[in-house]
Amino acid sequence: EAGVVQSPRYKIIEKKQPVAFWCNPISGHNTLYWYRQNLGQGPELLIRYENEEAVDDSQLPKDRFSAERLKGVDSTLKIQPAELGDSAVYLCASSKGGGGIKYEQYFGPGTRLTVT
Amino acid sequence: AQTVTQSQPEMSVQEAETVTLSCTYDTSENNYYLFWYKQPPSRQMILVIRQEAYKQQNATENRFSVNFQKAAKSFSLKISDSQLGDTAMYFCAFSARLANSKLTFGKGITLSVRP
Repeated sequence: EAGVVQSPRYKIIEKKQPVAFWCNPISGHNTLYWYRQNLGQGPELLIRYENEEAVDDSQLPKDRFSAERLKGVDSTLKIQPAELGDSAVYLCASSKGGGGIKYEQYFGPGTRLTVT
Repeated sequence: AQTVTQSQPEMSVQEAETVTLSCTYDTSENNYYLFWYKQPPSRQMILVIRQEAYKQQNATENRFSVNFQKAAKSFSLKISDSQLGDTAMYFCAFSARLANSKLTFGKGITLSVRP
């Protein structure tokens, strides 16, 4: 079974530029999560999808961040414009579904973003 | 709001020895889950072990076991017979047993296993 796929693995951009991250969850997983992990910290949830619906985006900075999960499969997280403080690892995770933590979350390898 | 505290930033252990990683948490919930996740240098985070708060018996997965002290809100991970592949960051995490709850992670601890 293929794991959660993310691309790119690394991205370096100048501040004020846009950037996008892509995630393909494990087949059959209805729930998809985007996390941000700052250096030396644990991951923090940005947004959670149940199929196509964003059911928890309370931690997503909506002025510059956006996300979509068309057709309830893969997802894209976008930042526009990027700021220096956005440098972090962006992790995608998926689970079989259901709210809360009933099902194990499987994480992708992450995208390391550096904003200069 | 829940908080998870991992006060030890780094630990080191000799191969084949036993090491214990500490974690405390704070919550007003009575039903919840606790987790230990491992994040190797390649960065793919994987679940090591999971404990349900209503279960008194401590969870065990092969060389990994936990010491869950609900009253003290403590959740430590013991790694027996440490192996070089155990070198990684370890995160303690909490989730309330509610429909829309989310994982709250600690800051993590870097574990190095010495040959």
